[in-house]
Amino acid sequence: RKEVEQDPGPFNVPEGATVAFNCTYSNSASQSFFWYRQDCRKEPKLLMSVYSSGNEDGRFTAQLNRASQYISLLIRDSKLSDSATYLCVVNPSFQKLVFGTGTRLLVSP
Amino acid sequence: EAQVTQNPRYLITVTGKKLTVTCSQNMNHEYMSWYRQDPGLGLRQIYYSMNVEVTDKGDVPEGYKVSRKEKRNFPLILESPSPNQTSLYFCASSHRLWNSNGYTQYFGPGTRLTVL
Repeated sequence: RKEVEQDPGPFNVPEGATVAFNCTYSNSASQSFFWYRQDCRKEPKLLMSVYSSGNEDGRFTAQLNRASQYISLLIRDSKLSDSATYLCVVNPSFQKLVFGTGTRLLVSP
Repeated sequence: EAQVTQNPRYLITVTGKKLTVTCSQNMNHEYMSWYRQDPGLGLRQIYYSMNVEVTDKGDVPEGYKVSRKEKRNFPLILESPSPNQTSLYFCASSHRLWNSNGYTQYFGPGTRLTVL
């Protein structure tokens, strides 16, 4: 079983749609969780950290469910510019980050 | 401008010809790391460094070497490249990796390496 698993997609949605991605992780001792965004052939960039209480940043909402060991990302009112690959990232132990393989989102006009 | 730079950005080489990919950051970060990204496998950590002269293996260190003689630089060395090291490589840096609050890891633009 992979340490971090994501549905690779692609998720094809129209502009304005709401889309949600899930990610599961295997190490219950994991402490920190993040969503990164990666545009085609570019470097990953931090989108947001994920806190136990859930957190929101504009149109983006991240949730963490420690009991079920999954993380979610909700994007509301999708824009064309949201088209990218979204990487789920988990910090399972000291000095280690584990990246999921990413979920590809395509937003169409 | 805060940034992580990598050179070269693109490289085609042949099996066995030693090469070095440079990485430099201007943010005075203690922590630096190298990853490789392959289709279907995601980003995998090769080596990391917690500070000057402190390096350690990641998940896929075989065939690679690193050094951290200065805080800003963290070169990746392939002593005898092989075709299975054809990949997209990213260098990254941050102040700390274990602080979950306000944590940000900055990535370089990537180096696309092809080994023939």
